[in-house]
Amino acid sequence: KAGVTQTPRYLIKTRGQQVTLSCSPISGHRSVSWYQQTPGQGLQFLFEYFSETQRNKGNFPGRFSGRQFSNSRSEMNVSTLELGDSALYLCASSFLGRTEAFFGQGTRLTVV
Amino acid sequence: GENVEQHPSTLSVQEGDSAVIKCTYSDSASNYFPWYKQELGKRPQLIIDIRSNVGEKKDQRIAVTLNKTAKHFSLHITETQPEDSAVYFCAASMEGNNRLAFGKGNQVVVIP
Repeated sequence: KAGVTQTPRYLIKTRGQQVTLSCSPISGHRSVSWYQQTPGQGLQFLFEYFSETQRNKGNFPGRFSGRQFSNSRSEMNVSTLELGDSALYLCASSFLGRTEAFFGQGTRLTVV
Repeated sequence: GENVEQHPSTLSVQEGDSAVIKCTYSDSASNYFPWYKQELGKRPQLIIDIRSNVGEKKDQRIAVTLNKTAKHFSLHITETQPEDSAVYFCAASMEGNNRLAFGKGNQVVVIP
């Protein structure tokens, strides 16, 4: 069974631009969560989607948004990029009713 | 929201010795506690988890213990090997709520 796949692996963007990251969950998993990982703050929860609906949201500004499609693939979008948005963005998928989360390789975003 | 504290931040052990990492959590409603291992440049990998209805769980050389009264849980690695060198993250959540609150991580270095 294929694992969680995130694309692209690396991105370099300029301040003020926007970016879209993609996550394909493990087949059969319908919950997708997004996390931001930085050396200073560690892993911080962004939001979770289940059946195309956002179920949970972390304490991030509205510039961070996401969505989920009917095939459970998810995207997250960051608008008006700031230098502080540079981070590893990880998504994790979970099976219905189970909390075990399996992570993708992440997208390394660098904002210059 | 849930707050997870993790100590120590760095742990060096001789190969063959045991390593113990401790975490505390704040929300008594949390009932699911996973541990993740993240090697440099790789995704966080779920290595073991425990639910609040048990006090201890073992899987080969790793074990996790949970003290609900004190709200702390620990990861024990026995007979450490060089491949155990990594950053280990503890997390807490409520079962079925796919919002993990992570500790800041422990760098474990196994000295050959």
